[in-house]
Amino acid sequence: KNEVEQSPQNLTAQEGEFITINCSYSVGISALHWLQQHPGGGIVSLFMLSSGKKKHGRLIATINIQEKHSSLHITASHPRDSAVYICAVRSTFGNEKLTFGTGTRLTIIP
Amino acid sequence: NAGVTQTPKFRVLKTGQSMTLLCAQDMNHEYMYWYRQDPGMGLRLIHYSVGEGTTAKGEVPDGYNVSRLKKQNFLLGLESAAPSQTSVYFCASSYWDASSYEQYFGPGTRLTVT
Repeated sequence: KNEVEQSPQNLTAQEGEFITINCSYSVGISALHWLQQHPGGGIVSLFMLSSGKKKHGRLIATINIQEKHSSLHITASHPRDSAVYICAVRSTFGNEKLTFGTGTRLTIIP
Repeated sequence: NAGVTQTPKFRVLKTGQSMTLLCAQDMNHEYMYWYRQDPGMGLRLIHYSVGEGTTAKGEVPDGYNVSRLKKQNFLLGLESAAPSQTSVYFCASSYWDASSYEQYFGPGTRLTVT
């Protein structure tokens, strides 16, 4: 079993829909990260979370440490949000490294 | 700032050939990483470095070597390429303090071994 599991693997939605991507992990962590990989391949960091909730524009990330679960929400989705969203964790030990999920491919149809 | 750059962007090798991928960062970051990304799998750590002159093995180090002679550069070497090393390779660098940690990624190198 992978240390970091994401669901769904693929998600297609209509423009304007509310999007939720889930991430579960099995190890103790010091932080959880959400990243975005554009269709051209570039990877950028979106959020780092160790507790609670963070918001940036239309993106919201939440984490429940007790349940070892995080969600990434996108409100009022737009075709430019189409990308692969990747969850990654920094474990309590060896926390100079990230362990990555396999990603969720999101496609927003106009 | 250029951020993290990788050279080359694309390469085709024959089995048994060698090559070196260069990663450079201009953000004065201590930490640097090499990953490979394969279809259906998450980014997997090959080797990493926590400072100039240091390297450490990651999750999938076999068949690769690295060097960090200068703080800004992290080199990944393939001594004898194999088809199983066909992949997209990403370099990243990061800073790390008490309140913040973020990895900055290069654009990737697409390597095909025939």
